This record gives sequence, structure tokens and C-alpha cells, in this order.
Amino acid sequence: DIQMTQSPSSLSASVGDRVTITCRASQSISRYLNWYLQKPGKAPKLLIYFASSLQSGVPSRFSGSGSGTDFTLTISSLQPEDFATYYCQQSYSTPRTFGQGTRLEIK
Amino acid sequence: QVQLQESGPGLVKPSQTLSLTCSVSGGSISIGGYYWSWIRQHPGKGLEWIGYISYSGSTYYSPSLKSRVAISVDTSKNHLFLRLSSVTAADTAVYYCARDDGMVRGVKYWGQGTMVTVSS
Repeated sequence: DIQMTQSPSSLSASVGDRVTITCRASQSISRYLNWYLQKPGKAPKLLIYFASSLQSGVPSRFSGSGSGTDFTLTISSLQPEDFATYYCQQSYSTPRTFGQGTRLEIK
Repeated sequence: QVQLQESGPGLVKPSQTLSLTCSVSGGSISIGGYYWSWIRQHPGKGLEWIGYISYSGSTYYSPSLKSRVAISVDTSKNHLFLRLSSVTAADTAVYYCARDDGMVRGVKYWGQGTMVTVSS
């Protein structure tokens, strides 16, 4: 199985801050990396697919980059609705594995 | 707009079989290119991929659950099913059905999730 490791596990930030979350795969996954946002009691929401493609309807303050084993999700200017938990997921192979999540909290 | 809705018992006894149904609307479950998935989330924890069934009927399961899990579809009803046998308290989780759009596109469509508790 491909292991996905996110960092940090939690993060405190303020509205307007620029935030970066990283995700590392245990082996190369090319660009087959997706990012999701999940709010309490809700299903995850796809933000970014194929490492850097913005899902339709997702604000442009979200961006993704990376290839191989190292990836980042950047939020350029945090908005109140962005405080949630973020997950990366590899879609290079089965089993599809997720990172452990990064909880983004209001400072 | 594709919509998915999970249904099934919210309480299952230990050693019994957990059975869930996912009703899919807004698109046919038999259309090629999609992988109909089950994903779960233990209380307060991260996401765990259970497995999926492809449009061709092939199934792929998490190695940790493979001996106990079965995913199937009923194309006439546009339903997706999950069966997980010999459950224990460790199977208590929110179960999501979802449509995996393949390697490139990720999982855009998710059900709202259904909480299943394993307890006597």
C-alpha cells in the first residue's frame, strides 16, 4: 500500500493568512494526488485533483502543486469558511489511501 | 447532478453482517469510467478507503478488509451495496458511498454518510 503522510497534523491561522499543507507519498505517484476539505458532520468535498487542477466551483485561493512524492495545498488568503480538516488522497493505485488529515483552526 | 444516498441499519450486533445500500440518482451506475466506492470514517478519525466496484463489475478491496467485505451493484435499481461480515466494535464508523472518477479526476460525488454502530 502507498502511505500518505500529511503535515502538519493541525494548524492555527488567522483570516487572511496564507497557509500551506504538505502531503508526502511513500513512493512516486506521479501527479495522481487529490485534496479534499471536510467540515464536521459533512462529507468530504473535492478541491483539487491531479495535483493542481482546481475542481469546478472551488475558489481560486486554493491551489495545489507537486509531483512524484511531494505535494502541497496552498490557501492564499484564508476565509472563515476554510477552517476545516483537509485530506490528501492518492489515486495512483489501489487501495486508494488518504493522509491522516490536517485540522485547520482559527487562531 | 449526481446524488448518492446511503441507507441501512444504524446498529449492528457484533459478529453479524453490516449491509448498506447506496441509491444513486442523476446518472446511471452502469456508465463506463466510474468506480463506485465505499469509504468509512471512524469517530473523530480520518478517512479509510474500503473498496470499489468498477463499471465493468471488477472489485477492488482494502487488504485489511478484503476477507470480510463485498461490494456489488444492482444496475436495474441504480443501487450500490456494501456487505461487511463478522463486524466488531472497530467497524463502528460513518460509511460513505462515493463515485470515484478514476485516477485523474478524484472523488467528486459523495453521499451524506450513514453512521453505523456495532454494539450488543
